[in-house]
Amino acid sequence: AQTVTQSQPEMSVQEAETVTLSCTYDTSESDYYLFWYKQPPSRQMILVIRQEAYKQQNATENRFSVNFQKAAKSFSLKISDSQLGDAAMYFCAYRSMNYGQNFVFGPGTRLSVLP
Amino acid sequence: DSGVTQTPKHLITATGQRVTLRCSPRSGDLSVYWYQQSLDQGLQFLIQYYNGEERAKGNILERFSAQQFPDLHSELNLSSLELGDSALYFCASSQEWGHSYEQYFGPGTRLTVT
Repeated sequence: AQTVTQSQPEMSVQEAETVTLSCTYDTSESDYYLFWYKQPPSRQMILVIRQEAYKQQNATENRFSVNFQKAAKSFSLKISDSQLGDAAMYFCAYRSMNYGQNFVFGPGTRLSVLP
Repeated sequence: DSGVTQTPKHLITATGQRVTLRCSPRSGDLSVYWYQQSLDQGLQFLIQYYNGEERAKGNILERFSAQQFPDLHSELNLSSLELGDSALYFCASSQEWGHSYEQYFGPGTRLTVT
């Protein structure tokens, strides 16, 4: 079974600075999807960014970008120009392409943004 | 707004009771997932339905059951409720075809068992 690890339970960043959240996963599959979700204090789950494993190019969405290292099974999220609204719990998720398999979420990293 | 709706938003009930949570997926999404999130905890996958059929099962208790109807909305039934069942229950939907495998989450139903 796949597992997702987020080794940083909590992180903080100064407003306008850059922060990187780590995620590693364990799988024997070659085709899969990876996602980062954000959960602000409202507790709504919001999709931040997605990455298809077959794509070598790292995904980017405005101030959010990923560093996808398939061989190392690493999928980190970089937030540039951090804003107060970025403060949230961030979950890394793995999506298997095999029938009957499912999303696996990491335990989350709580990000604080300091003014 | 993700396009996924969940009702009710809040539910307060007593131990031993039974409740039903409802979810309507985004238009065009065939798959519905249910998750449980206790306070300050991660997401626990409960069950997935695809076009009316159960596709995957997580750590769902026998007291819990779900179904997806022909119009693709889904219901999660929780019975013989215990204090430990108090949590935020999320529904998420996904297209599951082409390259659209991301999940979109509803706002959640906050269940409090007293």
